[in-house]
Amino acid sequence: DTAVSQTPKYLVTQMGNDKSIKCEQNLGHDTMYWYKQDSKKFLKIMFSYNNKELIINETVPNRFSPKSPDKAHLNLHINSLELGDSAVYFCASSQDYGLRSYEQYFGPGTRLTVT
Amino acid sequence: TQLLEQSPQFLSIQEGENLTVYCNSSSVFSSLQWYRQEPGEGPVLLVTVVTGGEVKKLKRLTFQFGDARKDSSLHITAAQPGDTGLYLCAGPPSGTYKYIFGTGTRLKVLA
Repeated sequence: DTAVSQTPKYLVTQMGNDKSIKCEQNLGHDTMYWYKQDSKKFLKIMFSYNNKELIINETVPNRFSPKSPDKAHLNLHINSLELGDSAVYFCASSQDYGLRSYEQYFGPGTRLTVT
Repeated sequence: TQLLEQSPQFLSIQEGENLTVYCNSSSVFSSLQWYRQEPGEGPVLLVTVVTGGEVKKLKRLTFQFGDARKDSSLHITAAQPGDTGLYLCAGPPSGTYKYIFGTGTRLKVLA
């Protein structure tokens, strides 16, 4: 019974293509996140949604567009993929936003390879 | 820029040894979380510390939050091969809604 799931697990595509990654959480959490982990394993937040509303939008190219159809889902669409987009993308969720405790639960990651 | 610096960056030890990982910042944090990440998987939450000076124990793992809430440490007693992984501290700097991850410590415990 997976708490945070992502699809696909692996994504190999060519430069210039458009792709989407889907994320779902069944924890009843209000807040969801997208992170990018680079080759040095550094995790950087990209976006955060609270109850379907965008609350964090870090300096990310506008080729990346998150969409939250409901509070249990947060998808990431990437246009015109570039070589530098190759990384592992993680979805995460937390119970709420603005609390002192920000415990996050992560999905298994999507390894994106752009050739 | 608010950073969480972890040290050491890499650590390779023998089974049974003790070790400490440090997480330091010049900023005050509302809370700090520690996660462990294994290859091919997402980070898994280990613990949250909220109060300055707080100490939490999780079996052989002891976590401490600095009095000023700017730093934290993770001590592992009698390390086992199953402790191998990437350890990450993370948290929200006080007064912000950001969430920042540390630079990570890769631990390898040899049998």
